[in-house]
Amino acid sequence: DAGVIQSPRHEVTEMGQEVTLRCKPISGHNSLFWYRQTMMRGLELLIYFNNNVPIDDSGMPEDRFSAKMPNASFSTLKIQPSEPRDSAVYFCASRVAGLSYEQYFGPGTRLTVT
Amino acid sequence: AQSVTQLDSQVPVFEEAPVELRCNYSSSVSVYLFWYVQYPNQGLQLLLKYLSGSTLVESINGFEAEFNKSQTSFHLRKPSVHISDTAEYFCAAQTYDKVIFGPGTSLSVIP
Repeated sequence: DAGVIQSPRHEVTEMGQEVTLRCKPISGHNSLFWYRQTMMRGLELLIYFNNNVPIDDSGMPEDRFSAKMPNASFSTLKIQPSEPRDSAVYFCASRVAGLSYEQYFGPGTRLTVT
Repeated sequence: AQSVTQLDSQVPVFEEAPVELRCNYSSSVSVYLFWYVQYPNQGLQLLLKYLSGSTLVESINGFEAEFNKSQTSFHLRKPSVHISDTAEYFCAAQTYDKVIFGPGTSLSVIP
């Protein structure tokens, strides 16, 4: 299996622009997680889905952030409008739901908002 | 509510010396415990996990962690570190559908 796939790997955009990050989970995994990592705040869970349904979005910073999972093999995280403080590495992870199953992380998308 | 604490944000250690990275957790429900490692410019990857049974678990690259229920700890140890062990290490507590990560410990191995 190719692992969790994220695109783009790097994104540089200007303040106010819309940004869309994409994730393809590992086939057969039914839980998907979006994380944000910064030096100041560490690794933060933004939202997670079980069976394509958003379960907990309490980590989403504000209404500028939205996430969707239209099917089991694709998810997006959108920021509109983007701000410089959104600059971070965004990770997607997937796993089989259940106590014993570990998460598999993608390589991340490094977002820079100027 | 669940929480995971990693008391040491940075741990410098000389090559071939032993190291311990500390992790404590709190949870009102049963959890499974994990250690993940993040090498520079990469995503996190599983290092080892405790699910049940023997409280001492080992990884393929010489790390081990011991689950201590009374102290609610899951410390990570290695008897002799290598330069290639330089990375960020995250402890995590997992319930059925949610994972709580600690803040991470940056391990720097000095030649």
